[in-house]
Amino acid sequence: GDSVTQMEGPVTLSEEAFLTINCTYTATGYPSLFWYVQYPGEGLQLLLKATKADDKGSNKGFEATYRKETTSFHLEKGSVQVSDSAVYFCALGLSGTDKLIFGTGTRLQVFP
Amino acid sequence: ETGVTQTPRHLVMGMTNKKSLKCEQHLGHNAMYWYKQSAKKPLELMFVYNFKEQTENNSVPSRFSPECPNSSHLFLHLHTLQPEDSALYLCASSPGDQLAGPNTDTQYFGPGTRLTVL
Repeated sequence: GDSVTQMEGPVTLSEEAFLTINCTYTATGYPSLFWYVQYPGEGLQLLLKATKADDKGSNKGFEATYRKETTSFHLEKGSVQVSDSAVYFCALGLSGTDKLIFGTGTRLQVFP
Repeated sequence: ETGVTQTPRHLVMGMTNKKSLKCEQHLGHNAMYWYKQSAKKPLELMFVYNFKEQTENNSVPSRFSPECPNSSHLFLHLHTLQPEDSALYLCASSPGDQLAGPNTDTQYFGPGTRLTVL
């Protein structure tokens, strides 16, 4: 069935380090792909998205490229800040539905 | 400011109580969702409403009963819950009308209700 797999956390980094959070998916058809972020005590909010193969989503220094050949949508940031500490969720949106299928989330902790 | 509000933010209830969670969106959206977020598990979709009609019930036990009186309000009525139902319950909304094509809509989430069942 359709699913999303994310790397286990927590990911612990020092400020200004490079970040990669891996996400792979299994889906029929042509899904859209999303990264959502959840800060402590808040709901999820969209970070970026890509709707077709080879699209790159970007926002706030974060980037992810929709790779159909490797069924991946890895999240990257060149230099993380303490304020980036949060839980990051990869999700896919199936064509013909309103549903999103989420991964388990990856907690990022950034220390000064 | 997400435009989606949820009340209460915290709720403690016994297994024999009846309570309701409320969600309101001020974004003019047509689709609303209930999710359950438990520790170390993927976010679980519970219900989807589109234009006030339920379009998804993800095999949710009948002790959870949703109600969508209009496109701006969504309720989750709770009765005879179990301790394993303790979780963060998130409401979300989206523009809707994705049933005919690619699913590209952003979902906007409320802050959630932290539910504890004793």
